[in-house]
Amino acid sequence: DAGVTQSPTHLIKTRGQHVTLRCSPISGHKSVSWYQQVLGQGPQFIFQYYEKEERGRGNFPDRFSARQFPNYSSELNVNALLLGDSALYLCASSLRMGVTEAFFGQGTRLTVV
Amino acid sequence: GQQVMQIPQYQHVQEGEDFTTYCNSSTTLSNIQWYKQRPGGHPVFLIQLVKSGEVKKQKRLTFQFGEAKKNSSLHITATQTTDVGTYFCAGTSGTYKYIFGTGTRLKVLA
Repeated sequence: DAGVTQSPTHLIKTRGQHVTLRCSPISGHKSVSWYQQVLGQGPQFIFQYYEKEERGRGNFPDRFSARQFPNYSSELNVNALLLGDSALYLCASSLRMGVTEAFFGQGTRLTVV
Repeated sequence: GQQVMQIPQYQHVQEGEDFTTYCNSSTTLSNIQWYKQRPGGHPVFLIQLVKSGEVKKQKRLTFQFGEAKKNSSLHITATQTTDVGTYFCAGTSGTYKYIFGTGTRLKVLA
């Protein structure tokens, strides 16, 4: 079985641009969460989606948005990129919401210049 | 808002020595998870604790959840070079929004 896959693996964008990051969860997993990890820090929760609905949102500005598709894959969109958005963006999938193990993808390394 | 702190921030040990990292939450947690992240890698799930006072073991790793469900610890016996990485705890207060700790970076000297 394939694990959680994220694309692209690396990305360089200019300030003010928009970016879309993609995540395919493990087959059968219906919950996808997005995290931002700045170098040297722990992952910061951005969003959780379950059954195509947003179930949780972290303390991120409205420039960050996401959605989950009928096949449970997910996109994270960030508008009006700032230098401070440079980070590793991680997607985690889990079987369902609640007390359950999360499997992380390799992440997308976003650099904003 | 909820905060999860870990100590120490860094730990260098000689191979064969024991290692412990502590996780403290500002609020009561419904459950806590532990992850390991190798340099350049992604977090890998280790374990989940749910019950007050729960203790779980995985070979050389022992995980504990405090009685008040506000703290947790990970203890590694006789560290090996393969234990190198950053260990994170992640807790939730029941909202499914997991707050990750600040992490403890472990370096094992051969």
